Amino acid sequence: GEQVEQRPPHLSVREGDSAVIICTYTDPNSYYFFWYKQEPGAGLQLLMKVFSSTEINEGQGFTVLLNKKDKQLSLNLTAAHPGDSAVYFCAVSTEGADRLTFGKGTQLIIQP
Amino acid sequence: GPKVLQIPSHQIIDMGQMVTLNCDPVSNHLYFYWYKQILGQQMEFLVNFYNGKVMEKSKLFKDQFSVERPDGSYFTLKIQPTALEDSAVYFCASSLGGRENERLFFGHGTKLSVL
Repeated sequence: GEQVEQRPPHLSVREGDSAVIICTYTDPNSYYFFWYKQEPGAGLQLLMKVFSSTEINEGQGFTVLLNKKDKQLSLNLTAAHPGDSAVYFCAVSTEGADRLTFGKGTQLIIQP
Repeated sequence: GPKVLQIPSHQIIDMGQMVTLNCDPVSNHLYFYWYKQILGQQMEFLVNFYNGKVMEKSKLFKDQFSVERPDGSYFTLKIQPTALEDSAVYFCASSLGGRENERLFFGHGTKLSVL
């Protein structure tokens, strides 16, 4: 079945710097990709949903890149601020499957 | 925005006892899910539920597990009897359409500690 590797498990960057989190998946039939953010004591908040047809997706303060050739999904936070401190999860689903396969998460800490 | 509520946030029980985890999904959602996250590991799919039935379950959904949503009330996960390896955070989620590209709304999780 699908396997998703997420790295790094922990990331600390200074305020204003960029941060990159990468997920690598195995199933070539993976079609939908998600990034979730989890703040302490809160549920998972959807950051972005990406379809396999779109390689670059821009959100507020971040960009999601999808490299289907290398089966890699990345979340790039630009100009990180303290509110970005959280655990970030990538998740992948395949067409016709009503379930998500998650990465292990990345604990991101933004230092002032 | 829409919220999924999970009650309680933390439950501590003795091995062998029964436990019921409660989830109050988004009001107009039709598809419901449980995911399990053992400390330090990734969140893993347990089961999805629609129209009063389990649609799909993973190998983690042991015979001791059951789910139901009687009369549109809480969506529950019952474990009877519990085992030490059931200690984890259990996340409930719901969605409107149940398709693979559907956005899931997650609860905060219930941390289950089996002693």
